[in-house]
Amino acid sequence: EPEVTQTPSHQVTQMGQEVILRCVPISNHLYFYWYRQILGQKVEFLVSFYNNEISEKSEIFDDQFSVERPDGSNFTLKIRSTKLEDSAMYFCASSGLLGYEKLFFGSGTQLSVL
Amino acid sequence: QKEVEQNSGPLSVPEGAIASLNCTYSDRGSQSFFWYRQYSGKSPELIMFIYSNGDKEDGRFTAQLNKASQYVSLLIRDSQPSDSATYLCAVNDSGGGADGLTFGKGTHLIIQP
Repeated sequence: EPEVTQTPSHQVTQMGQEVILRCVPISNHLYFYWYRQILGQKVEFLVSFYNNEISEKSEIFDDQFSVERPDGSNFTLKIRSTKLEDSAMYFCASSGLLGYEKLFFGSGTQLSVL
Repeated sequence: QKEVEQNSGPLSVPEGAIASLNCTYSDRGSQSFFWYRQYSGKSPELIMFIYSNGDKEDGRFTAQLNKASQYVSLLIRDSQPSDSATYLCAVNDSGGGADGLTFGKGTHLIIQP
């Protein structure tokens, strides 16, 4: 079974610091996503990425956030200046041409901002 | 603002019985509907999707969609203790891939042995 890989599994940072969360999507997938889930809350869409550009982003995805696909395999989420409220589980996901019919989530990165 | 509403539970069901999970959504333009299962501390896992009004069956799971009532449900037959998890309803404008999913907060299901 192919899987989406996320690193690190846990990240602790100080408020105001930059963090980069890394993901390796499934190799032949075309759509890449970041979602987040604050403890006890719903899963929230952040951004979708297709053909090397952002397809859609939510209101959460403000100027502090950016995404990049620096090479053929990695997909990253950068938070420039972390806030306490950025503490959450961040999920990377990917899908192929079937879109959400075959959407795979990674195991997540738990980000704690102190 | 799109909203997806679910009863947070917990919903307690005896082993072997039918578990019924419900979801309503606010955006009448929603086209695609998904049920995910999430175990505590884990990532969501897709169980089923449905696009058309009516029922769709896959093994022990049946998804039901009523677009006129903006209502989606998931039935789990012959419930097993391993079905104990949080079930997330999610909707999408198209299902194609570029749009984001809007999730509900989830219903916590407990299957009692």
